[in-house]
Amino acid sequence: SAVISQKPSRDICQRGTSLTIQCQVDSQVTMMFWYRQQPGQSLTLIATANQGSEATYESGFVIDKFPISRPNLTFSTLTVSNMSPEDSSIYLCSVRTLLEQFFGPGTRLTVL
Amino acid sequence: SQKIEQNSEALNIQEGKTATLTCNYTNYSPAYLQWYRQDPGRGPVFLLLIRENEKEKRKERLKVTFDTTLKQSLFHITASQPADSATYLCALENSSASKIIFGSGTRLSIRP
Repeated sequence: SAVISQKPSRDICQRGTSLTIQCQVDSQVTMMFWYRQQPGQSLTLIATANQGSEATYESGFVIDKFPISRPNLTFSTLTVSNMSPEDSSIYLCSVRTLLEQFFGPGTRLTVL
Repeated sequence: SQKIEQNSEALNIQEGKTATLTCNYTNYSPAYLQWYRQDPGRGPVFLLLIRENEKEKRKERLKVTFDTTLKQSLFHITASQPADSATYLCALENSSASKIIFGSGTRLSIRP
């Protein structure tokens, strides 16, 4: 299994600013994912971040808006840049071990 | 485009009865189908995975079926309890296990 922590757990930000979300895993994992979940909606994959390579972004998400770092096998960051109210959402970090996927508690972001 | 449909309306079940949730998908041939539980303010928690060549899988009070011809999975909770109240997400995964896409979830309420 994997235990994932995220910081911050929640934040309220002004439009035009940026927020960096940290994800820490208690074991080394190759595959790490960032998801977004808007209220009442399902999870949407933003990008896959594997250590030692550039993040792979899904359609509709770009590196300039959501830069990701993956410096080692236990840590990653997602930055939400130049925020607008439409970025208000829960951002979840996730890792994969064998055929099981684990999720962090999420970061609830509100953009005013 | 790929689409996953789950009961959009909440499901209310009397304690002790069997709860059955449905997941239908189109334009996709998943190698694996997964079910997750999500409580308010928390990340999803993995419950069960079933492979495309498996018809049924059980885990304690949970049972999942997978019909690749109908493109449907059923998720059953027998002897339901109020503690089973949560949102349940269906997720599909391709054969390379590189990406999971999620349904919007079904909110289940078990009344005492």
